Amino acid sequence: NAGVTQTPKFQVLKTGQSMTLQCAQDMNHEYMSWYRQDPGMGLRLIHYSVGAGITDQGEVPNGYNVSRSTTEDFPLRLLSAAPSQTSVYFCASSSGHTMGSPLHFGNGTRLTVT
Amino acid sequence: AQSVTQLGSHVSVSEGALVLLRCNYSSSVPPYLFWYVQYPNQGLQLLLKYTTGATLVKGINGFEAEFKKSETSFHLTKPSAHMSDAAEYFCAVSLGGGADGLTFGKGTHLIIQP
Repeated sequence: NAGVTQTPKFQVLKTGQSMTLQCAQDMNHEYMSWYRQDPGMGLRLIHYSVGAGITDQGEVPNGYNVSRSTTEDFPLRLLSAAPSQTSVYFCASSSGHTMGSPLHFGNGTRLTVT
Repeated sequence: AQSVTQLGSHVSVSEGALVLLRCNYSSSVPPYLFWYVQYPNQGLQLLLKYTTGATLVKGINGFEAEFKKSETSFHLTKPSAHMSDAAEYFCAVSLGGGADGLTFGKGTHLIIQP
């Protein structure tokens, strides 16, 4: 059971370039989300999805787009990368069927924008 | 809106000593509370959670936390620290059961002195 898989593990972009961070889960979880982690800031929610076809914004959504066409996949798109988007990005999923369902995290994508 | 405050960005204890990591939250309704641990270059994994019921919650690796509503606290403790406990610890709060987005504290880096 792979759990939550994120690709790539590392990425370097130039300002203005676009890219998609991939996230896939094989646990049939309805809920998926993206966080960014910055030193001294903890994790901040970017976007989340409560099911296929449904997405919503989190705390820091600007500069990022998401879509959820399948239960398994929840890609995060950067349309025009900026140095402020240098961060470690985590995808997480949860069954959501019971109250307090924990989040299952991927191992992260470390993104550097120069 | 909810928020989480973790006191101390770094905590250092001797091996075998008590571990105490502090977490206070603010929430307009009874929250769901979580502690996660992050080892270097990995994603977060759940240590323990409080949803309802017993206020003393036991988790993995000998950790436990007590929900104190009057103090709006959810401090994490472990009676005897091991070298393997060195990691980043995050307290998190959710109003929706944890599935559709957590609010994280900024994290506490636990250092274990031999």
